Amino acid sequence: AQSVTQLGSHVSVSEGALVLLRCNYSSSVPPYLFWYVQYPNQGLQLLLKYTTGATLVKGINGFEAEFKKSETSFHLTKPSAHMSDAAEYFCAVSDPDSSASKIIFGSGTRLSIRP
Amino acid sequence: ETGVTQTPRHLVMGMTNKKSLKCEQHLGHNAMYWYKQSAKKPLELMFVYSLEERVENNSVPSRFSPECPNSSHLFLHLHTLQPEDSALYLCASSPGSTVSTNEKLFFGSGTQLSVL
Repeated sequence: AQSVTQLGSHVSVSEGALVLLRCNYSSSVPPYLFWYVQYPNQGLQLLLKYTTGATLVKGINGFEAEFKKSETSFHLTKPSAHMSDAAEYFCAVSDPDSSASKIIFGSGTRLSIRP
Repeated sequence: ETGVTQTPRHLVMGMTNKKSLKCEQHLGHNAMYWYKQSAKKPLELMFVYSLEERVENNSVPSRFSPECPNSSHLFLHLHTLQPEDSALYLCASSPGSTVSTNEKLFFGSGTQLSVL
């Protein structure tokens, strides 16, 4: 069975500081991995995804994530936080050989940006 | 604007009411989904439709009844709900007819449901 754990339900950083949102997964097969962002009063939007190939994945809005198989991690980073990055971020994992019903989302991390 | 529109944005209903949530996608996608988002919990997949056929029912109580009359519209009919059903209900769509875990999901803004 697959699962995903997001460490820290709330992260607060200063504007211009490094953003690091942690995601660890459990999977018996090489997974697909996703980060979604949810801005207030909106649905989720895909930030980036890893399927195969290069382990460092670049997404929208300057975010990137690195798939580290040895650490079963897919942490999300951004070098310099902007006020507009304040949102809830969801990590998700799926089994490539299964259906979309097996996309498992984490509980989310709320990112706050201090001026 | 993601191309997935949900109405209403907010809904308050009593436990004996019957109401429906509506989702419409303008993207030409073949798969549509209902998710439930409760505070501090992971998103819960409720139903998946592919080409108007239900392909997944994730052990959802029968007081939730989905309907997919065509590939652009998805409904969630609600009756005799419980207060614990209060949550944000999100609709999503994806391009493929075979529902793949590789595909990007396009989400609507959700319906915030409160059951009194």
